[in-house]
Amino acid sequence: EAQVTQNPRYLITVTGKKLTVTCSQNMNHEYMSWYRQDPGLGLRQIYYSMNVEVTDKGDVPEGYKVSRKEKRNFPLILESPSPNQTSLYFCASRSRDSSGNTIYFGEGSWLTVV
Amino acid sequence: GDSVTQMEGPVTLSEEAFLTINCTYTATGYPSLFWYVQYPGEGLQLLLKATKADDKGSNKGFEATYRKETTSFHLEKGSVQVSDSAVYFCALSDLGRDDKIIFGKGTRLHILP
Repeated sequence: EAQVTQNPRYLITVTGKKLTVTCSQNMNHEYMSWYRQDPGLGLRQIYYSMNVEVTDKGDVPEGYKVSRKEKRNFPLILESPSPNQTSLYFCASRSRDSSGNTIYFGEGSWLTVV
Repeated sequence: GDSVTQMEGPVTLSEEAFLTINCTYTATGYPSLFWYVQYPGEGLQLLLKATKADDKGSNKGFEATYRKETTSFHLEKGSVQVSDSAVYFCALSDLGRDDKIIFGKGTRLHILP
């Protein structure tokens, strides 16, 4: 079954304590992205990756890091989380070929920073 | 830059009513257009899509037609059910450029029994 898997699904953490949200896809997709969803703002792209070792900033990259060492994994790193990073986060992936207009999303990770 | 504008919610309807959620876009290229649905407490699911002008996407009784002349992709359903209560996002993606999907701000739909 085609899947994008995120962990953890729910996390409450404290300001400044580094955390990583993992994302893994089993479809051999080249493209992967991270989004955050906030009330009244919709979804905004944080970072994206077009392939292994290729990453680029989205619209709201401040306070986040990513890496793409393997094709299937695209972790989101918050080095020093702050309360304004409290949000719902989605990982997404798609293929580079002609079927690539279908984008697959993970189930979301609810992050609260206190 | 590219953008998506959709009608603000919440939208409240009675069961079996006709639904329209408006969506318009601006884009410099030839984007694909999508509707995603987010049920309470869940992630995003692709509801339907259209990849070129005049294409009609359909799924679960929902339809939307890619109208290039009016730059619109309105979502419609003839008879809504309580189980359709969710947040609906219109989105576009120009796959020739980058991996960005541009979302509208979402429209919350409440269906009353």
